[in-house]
Amino acid sequence: DAGVIQSPRHEVTEMGQEVTLRCKPISGHDYLFWYRQTMMRGLELLIYFNNNVPIDDSGMPEDRFSAKMPNASFSTLKIQPSEPRDSAVYFCASSLATQRQFFGPGTRLTVL
Amino acid sequence: QQPVQSPQAVILREGEDAVINCSSSKALYSVHWYRQKHGEAPIFLMILLKGGEQKGHDKISASFNEKKQQSSLYLTASQLSYSGTYFCGTDTGTASKLTFGTGTRLQVTL
Repeated sequence: DAGVIQSPRHEVTEMGQEVTLRCKPISGHDYLFWYRQTMMRGLELLIYFNNNVPIDDSGMPEDRFSAKMPNASFSTLKIQPSEPRDSAVYFCASSLATQRQFFGPGTRLTVL
Repeated sequence: QQPVQSPQAVILREGEDAVINCSSSKALYSVHWYRQKHGEAPIFLMILLKGGEQKGHDKISASFNEKKQQSSLYLTASQLSYSGTYFCGTDTGTASKLTFGTGTRLQVTL
């Protein structure tokens, strides 16, 4: 079992550039979550999907952030344009129903 | 609203015990506990469902008092491998999502 896969693991970009983070959930899981972790704000839920449908995006900070899940095995989180305050570790997690969540290794984003 | 954890940080000697508390202002359906080591992803420890159950897992156990909207994580005879940041995640049962607490940093020393 490969677990949740995220790419890239590290991303360094300049302010104003578009950033796309990718996630492959565990096969068979029907929930997918995107989190952002910073020292100041801790672990925040940005958006989550159930059966590929976005259920709650109230945690998305602003319109610069968007997420999609075109099929059960792939999701993206896009930031356009990126800003230095978006620098954080972004985690994707998946679960079966509302059981334990399995986290991916995270993407460490640095916006210069 | 984010659940509040206490203490914020604790340092233990190997073999000592610790209790981490998680308190919510909302009625809870379940509480999840995770541990995160520096530079790694959070790892699941256990889930407690409403009903006041207590769960155990090796020398780590937890309780859930739904009336007080609180959960506690108990670490007994701590080991060096217990070091990390512990998070509670609360589920109000209405939205199938977790709200994570502020975190408790635990360091176990020799």
